[in-house]
Amino acid sequence: RKEVEQDPGPFNVPEGATVAFNCTYSNSASQSFFWYRQDCRKEPKLLMSVYSSGNEDGRFTAQLNRASQYISLLIRDSKLSDSATYLCVGSYSGAGSYQLTFGKGTKLSVIP
Amino acid sequence: SQTIHQWPATLVQPVGSPLSLECTVEGTSNPNLYWYRQAAGRGLQLLFYSVGIGQISSEVPQNLSASRPQDRQFILSSKKLLLSDSGFYLCAWSVRPESLFTDTQYFGPGTRLTVL
Repeated sequence: RKEVEQDPGPFNVPEGATVAFNCTYSNSASQSFFWYRQDCRKEPKLLMSVYSSGNEDGRFTAQLNRASQYISLLIRDSKLSDSATYLCVGSYSGAGSYQLTFGKGTKLSVIP
Repeated sequence: SQTIHQWPATLVQPVGSPLSLECTVEGTSNPNLYWYRQAAGRGLQLLFYSVGIGQISSEVPQNLSASRPQDRQFILSSKKLLLSDSGFYLCAWSVRPESLFTDTQYFGPGTRLTVL
């Protein structure tokens, strides 16, 4: 069974703090990974793609450890606007398309 | 640039009534299209995907069906809604896979369906 597991949180952190989320996956054939951000009652929006060992975009760093089958997301200098649910996603190839397996998400609340 | 539209944004329907949700994509050709459902407190569940006109694959047995009458149009339907069909329905698109970086999916704004 292809699963992605995340700590649901919530993570309550003060502004300016550094916070890290971990995610584990069971499908060793997963080829790439993503972090999506989902605000309350909104659609998921792509935050980062992870195709090799990691990716960095400003305050956000994602790391992939294929041997241990986990992906992490690090957020530095947290802003109030970072409050959202973060979805960890694994991709595997299906018949003619790539399929995504979504974790249930980790909720982050950044507190003033 | 590419955009994806879904309507309606919200819907309240009685049990046993029919359903039709529509999704259209602009700014791209031959996309892969997907329907997901997100129930309260649960992760996104893939319902259907399509790699071309008239080509529909179903991931889970259910009360729903999908159709793709045009290249950039994807429709989710039901003849008789159940209470368990309530949820947040999301349409997504991706570029037809031709390289490593074509598996990213982009989501529409979603339809929130409540079945009473």
